[in-house]
Amino acid sequence: GENVEQHPSTLSVQEGDSAVIKCTYSDSASNYFPWYKQELGKRPQLIIDIRSNVGEKKDQRIAVTLNKTAKHFSLHITETQPEDSAVYFCAARPGGYQKVTFGTGTKLQVIP
Amino acid sequence: DTGVSQNPRHKITKRGQNVTFRCDPISEHNRLYWYRQTLGQGPEFLTYFQNEAQLEKSRLLSDRFSAERPKGSFSTLEIQRTEQGDSAMYLCASTPTGGRNQGELFFGEGSRLTVL
Repeated sequence: GENVEQHPSTLSVQEGDSAVIKCTYSDSASNYFPWYKQELGKRPQLIIDIRSNVGEKKDQRIAVTLNKTAKHFSLHITETQPEDSAVYFCAARPGGYQKVTFGTGTKLQVIP
Repeated sequence: DTGVSQNPRHKITKRGQNVTFRCDPISEHNRLYWYRQTLGQGPEFLTYFQNEAQLEKSRLLSDRFSAERPKGSFSTLEIQRTEQGDSAMYLCASTPTGGRNQGELFFGEGSRLTVL
């Protein structure tokens, strides 16, 4: 089955700096890669996703890149703000609507 | 509220007791997932349904766990003879199979289980 590894487990940045979270996956059949943000005590919520036919996707201060050959994808947050502080999970899913496998999470702290 | 609804939100039980959680998905979503999340970890897949059919069940799920979705709407997750290791947040999610949000998991607030 799919195995998703995520690094780093914790990340502290100064407000206004950029943050990068990296993930690798094992199943070459995976073609959908979502990122979820989970604030303390809240449910995970989708912030951005990318499909395998696209190498990069951007939404305001958030961008995701995908390298299918290397089986890794990354989340980039620019101009970080205190409200970006949360746990971020990457995930991968093979074709169709099979199970989504999550990484172990990155706790991001943005220091004002 | 048209989001995914889970209840109870919190359940404290003694070891050996049975517990049942309910999930009401977003009405037009025909796929429903159960995940388990422990502190500091990502959601761990348990099982999922396409309408009333249970399509996959994690090998991590022992025989003490059972899930149903009898009419393809709400789902229940039952844990029999609970153990302290079952203490976790149980998350339900639903997803549409078409349209703009196809494949996106919409999570409920979760049901937190504490086994004493």
